[in-house]
Amino acid sequence: EDQVTQSPEALRLQEGESSSLNCSYTVSGLRGLFWYRQDPGKGPEFLFTLYSAGEEKEKERLKATLTKKESFLHITAPKPEDSATYLCAVQYNNNDMRFGAGTRLTVKP
Amino acid sequence: DGGITQSPKYLFRKEGQNVTLSCEQNLNHDAMYWYRQDPGQGLRLIYYSQIVNDFQKGDIAEGYSVSREKKESFPLTVTSAQKNPTAFYLCASSIGGAEEKLFFGSGTQLSVL
Repeated sequence: EDQVTQSPEALRLQEGESSSLNCSYTVSGLRGLFWYRQDPGKGPEFLFTLYSAGEEKEKERLKATLTKKESFLHITAPKPEDSATYLCAVQYNNNDMRFGAGTRLTVKP
Repeated sequence: DGGITQSPKYLFRKEGQNVTLSCEQNLNHDAMYWYRQDPGQGLRLIYYSQIVNDFQKGDIAEGYSVSREKKESFPLTVTSAQKNPTAFYLCASSIGGAEEKLFFGSGTQLSVL
């Protein structure tokens, strides 16, 4: 069965302390990999789509990268407002969409 | 503003009761989805609909039902057959076809009394 695993489950950073979140997936025909941000009690908000290994996307302090087995969401000099849960989702060639459990990021001032 | 509206924000169900969660979108999207979110787990697909008057079961459809009578609306009924309904329910939409970028509503938290 196709699986998506995110690590770590939770990450606490000091403001300005850069780090990366990981999303690994079973390799069985990737169609697209999606990153979403979810604030407590809200629905996820789309951040990026990546389609092929080597692709990178950036938005403000976030950069998403993709290899054949995993994706990283790099957060550079984070601010407290970046605190949220970050979800990864993988769409396979059979149109199956699988979500990871998310990484809960806390950025302390 | 275009978007997806879910209501109510909080809902309580008594044992043996059916409850209906509302989802309305004004994005003119063809596809609509219902997901269930439990702590520590990824979103799981309950039902989805690609066009009006047609819908398909997702991974965890048992104990749920849906209808798609209008393009804008995709209500979810949690029936008494769903023995563990407490969860955060998310409605989403997408343009449809090959585009699977999802737009989500703000969710409904369902709890059992």
